[in-house]
Amino acid sequence: NAGVTQTPKFRVLKTGQSMTLLCAQDMNHEYMYWYRQDPGMGLRLIHYSVGEGTTAKGEVPDGYNVSRLKKQNFLLGLESAAPSQTSVYFCASSPLGGRHSYEQYFGPGTRLTVT
Amino acid sequence: EDQVTQSPEALRLQEGESSSLNCSYTVSGLRGLFWYRQDPGKGPEFLFTLYSAGEEKEKERLKATLTKKESFLHITAPKPEDSATYLCAVQGQGGSEKLVFGKGMKLTVNP
Repeated sequence: NAGVTQTPKFRVLKTGQSMTLLCAQDMNHEYMYWYRQDPGMGLRLIHYSVGEGTTAKGEVPDGYNVSRLKKQNFLLGLESAAPSQTSVYFCASSPLGGRHSYEQYFGPGTRLTVT
Repeated sequence: EDQVTQSPEALRLQEGESSSLNCSYTVSGLRGLFWYRQDPGKGPEFLFTLYSAGEEKEKERLKATLTKKESFLHITAPKPEDSATYLCAVQGQGGSEKLVFGKGMKLTVNP
């Protein structure tokens, strides 16, 4: 199993450009999450999904959109990138139900720089 | 609002020098407390879940314990390969699937 994978690993955008980050998991997990990690701030939840076709806002959702059209994929979109969105983005997934419910497993991250 | 505070922010140890990392939390009904390890340039790696006060879990040189207000990650006779940032997170009973993370604690173990 590959676990959680993220595409791309690195990206540089200019202010105002758009892009989509792709997250894929092969563990059949119901829940998926997008976080950003900034120095001194810790991990902050952007959006999450509790199942295919569902999404919900997290702590810092402004400027981002998400979609979960397939259970194994969770996409994060930036419609008009801003320098404040320079960060490392992590995707995570977790199972529903059972003893290991809510244990989140993370991808390797995408380092995004907006100039 | 659920909150997690980790201390110290950074810790330097000599190889073999045991110590503990602290995670204090406030949550409206604890569903679970989670410990992660994060190496530079990588995603967090799951270590432990603790569910109730008094629970303990071990993995190699790491032992996690839980009380009603805090959790400790004890590191016994650490090695340089234990150097990493350790993250603590909590999930409350508030009907949300979200984890609230602390800012992390950077551990450096010198040979």
